[in-house]
Amino acid sequence: SAVISQKPSRDICQRGTSLTIQCQVDSQVTMMFWYRQQPGQSLTLIATANQGSEATYESGFVIDKFPISRPNLTFSTLTVSNMSPEDSSIYLCSVAQGRGYTFGSGTRLTVV
Amino acid sequence: AQSVTQLGSHVSVSEGALVLLRCNYSSSVPPYLFWYVQYPNQGLQLLLKYTSAATLVKGINGFEAEFKKSETSFHLTKPSAHMSDAAEYFCAVSGVLTGGGNKLTFGTGTQLKVEL
Repeated sequence: SAVISQKPSRDICQRGTSLTIQCQVDSQVTMMFWYRQQPGQSLTLIATANQGSEATYESGFVIDKFPISRPNLTFSTLTVSNMSPEDSSIYLCSVAQGRGYTFGSGTRLTVV
Repeated sequence: AQSVTQLGSHVSVSEGALVLLRCNYSSSVPPYLFWYVQYPNQGLQLLLKYTSAATLVKGINGFEAEFKKSETSFHLTKPSAHMSDAAEYFCAVSGVLTGGGNKLTFGTGTQLKVEL
């Protein structure tokens, strides 16, 4: 299965600033997914990112707040914009290959 | 659309006892089902997956799950709990993967506590 490198692993950011999270995969994948896990909760899909097209956002998530890039088949970024303390979460990228899904180790974001 | 329901947000067992974590699914298409484990301050690790082959699926760390279509269930079991099994467990469902793409929908998670 694919190996995903996600960074940063954690960060503490000031409110009003933006953070870009990177996800690098060791093989080419068609679709990449970005999830958010708020404290003590399950994972919620933010968006699906295809190479060469606009990301598809789930209900409740908008591009202005969570812009995504997908420049090639092995890389994607998620930006958390104009952060507030409510954005404090773990953000995970994921890829689908064959009959399974692999996850990055996550980015633990704290907004102060 | 797919969804999963995990019964019991917290489960506590004694070391050496049977572990049973419940998951029921809803899917309009043949489902793929997954169990993931998340240890404190770590990412998600795949325990096992059902992808329409054998209904009894064996995973890592002695865990297994049985797909029961008649009950729309995919419960996770382990015969004998170990202290190291204490973690958060997530059941998840997707539609049949085509070309590697179909979103995964997670349950709310079950926190497993193992006591001496």
